[in-house]
Amino acid sequence: AQSVSQHNHHVILSEAASLELGCNYSYGGTVNLFWYVQYPGQHLQLLLKYFSGDPLVKGIKGFEAEFIKSKFSFNLRKPSVQWSDTAEYFCAVTRYGQNFVFGPGTRLSVLP
Amino acid sequence: EAQVTQNPRYLITVTGKKLTVTCSQNMNHEYMSWYRQDPGLGLRQIYYSMNVEVTDKGDVPEGYKVSRKEKRNFPLILESPSPNQTSLYFCASRAGRGSRTDTQYFGPGTRLTVL
Repeated sequence: AQSVSQHNHHVILSEAASLELGCNYSYGGTVNLFWYVQYPGQHLQLLLKYFSGDPLVKGIKGFEAEFIKSKFSFNLRKPSVQWSDTAEYFCAVTRYGQNFVFGPGTRLSVLP
Repeated sequence: EAQVTQNPRYLITVTGKKLTVTCSQNMNHEYMSWYRQDPGLGLRQIYYSMNVEVTDKGDVPEGYKVSRKEKRNFPLILESPSPNQTSLYFCASRAGRGSRTDTQYFGPGTRLTVL
């Protein structure tokens, strides 16, 4: 069965530190990739998405992600985190015409 | 404003008392889903619907029912709730599997507690 894994369950950083959250998927072939963010007490919001083209995609709030097809990875990055980035981050994958599959999530805590 | 709405946002009920959580979207999306979110498990799909009168089971359908009589609405029904259905529930919609740039939009969530 297709699956999505996220490397870290909980990441704790200080403000201004750099962030990288790992995401790997088990699908073969063409995939669509997403990162969603869930701020405390809120619903999931789309951070960024990749469908095709440049494997480095930029999203909202200074986030970016790089699709590396050979590694089946779609890691999320931000050069300098802020306290307001404290949230849970979900990677999601879908193949054309199929259901979304979500990773288990990574909780990010940014210390002021 | 494009949005997915859910009601109620919070619900505390007792075992066996039937309940319905409503979901509505105003984007004319064909495809709607229900997920439950539990700590450490991420989001798991309960049911989905590809269009009016077309529904199918997701990964964790046991104990739930859905219906899709209108394109905009996709209610989740718990006929006889049990404590293991205590969870955070999200409704989501997307244009459809046929859309190459398909993106899923989420409702605000319903926190359900079954005593």
